[in-house]
Amino acid sequence: DGGITQSPKYLFRKEGQNVTLSCEQNLNHDAMYWYRQDPGQGLRLIYYSQIVNDFQKGDIAEGYSVSREKKESFPLTVTSAQKNPTAFYLCASSSTGTGGNQPQHFGDGTRLSIL
Amino acid sequence: QKEVEQDPGPLSVPEGAIVSLNCTYSNSAFQYFMWYRQYSRKGPELLMYTYSSGNKEDGRFTAQVDKSSKYISLFIRDSQPSDSATYLCSARNYGGSQGNLIFGKGTKLSVKP
Repeated sequence: DGGITQSPKYLFRKEGQNVTLSCEQNLNHDAMYWYRQDPGQGLRLIYYSQIVNDFQKGDIAEGYSVSREKKESFPLTVTSAQKNPTAFYLCASSSTGTGGNQPQHFGDGTRLSIL
Repeated sequence: QKEVEQDPGPLSVPEGAIVSLNCTYSNSAFQYFMWYRQYSRKGPELLMYTYSSGNKEDGRFTAQVDKSSKYISLFIRDSQPSDSATYLCSARNYGGSQGNLIFGKGTKLSVKP
């Protein structure tokens, strides 16, 4: 079945540690996104990528980094510079046809906590 | 003012009721509107996707957009306990950056048997 796979489901980070969240899609979508979701907050965009080897910062990019070496994959690294990383992280993808207005489809998220 | 406003609820209804979920938005350039359903500890699932004003129906779900009042609604007929989830509305304008999708904070719905 086509879809978006995020791993791991749960992740724990120690102080000063970088951690990487995986996102893989087999929907043949060009665009991929990372959002952060906190209780009582809407989804906030961290980074997005419209094409391989290119990505743009979203509203809350500080303390995060991404890469887009393959169309199917868009890993997110939460660096030690992100002082409040505890959140639910969601990866999404969309096609870019028809003026780029195709809806986004989401994975089932990774819950990151601080040890 | 937030670009997309949504009452967080919680909203509790008996099984079989008609549910009305609503959002308002401030950016008159928004043309595309989406409703997502999110179960606890899961990612959002696309329910409805509409362009400009008007109604769109899919089974028990109807999405309605009133651009004159900047108001979007999702109606659920014959609500079921399995409809218990958080519903997110979202909006974006035509073209432009792919990162322009704006989400409301979500309304938590509980349908009691």
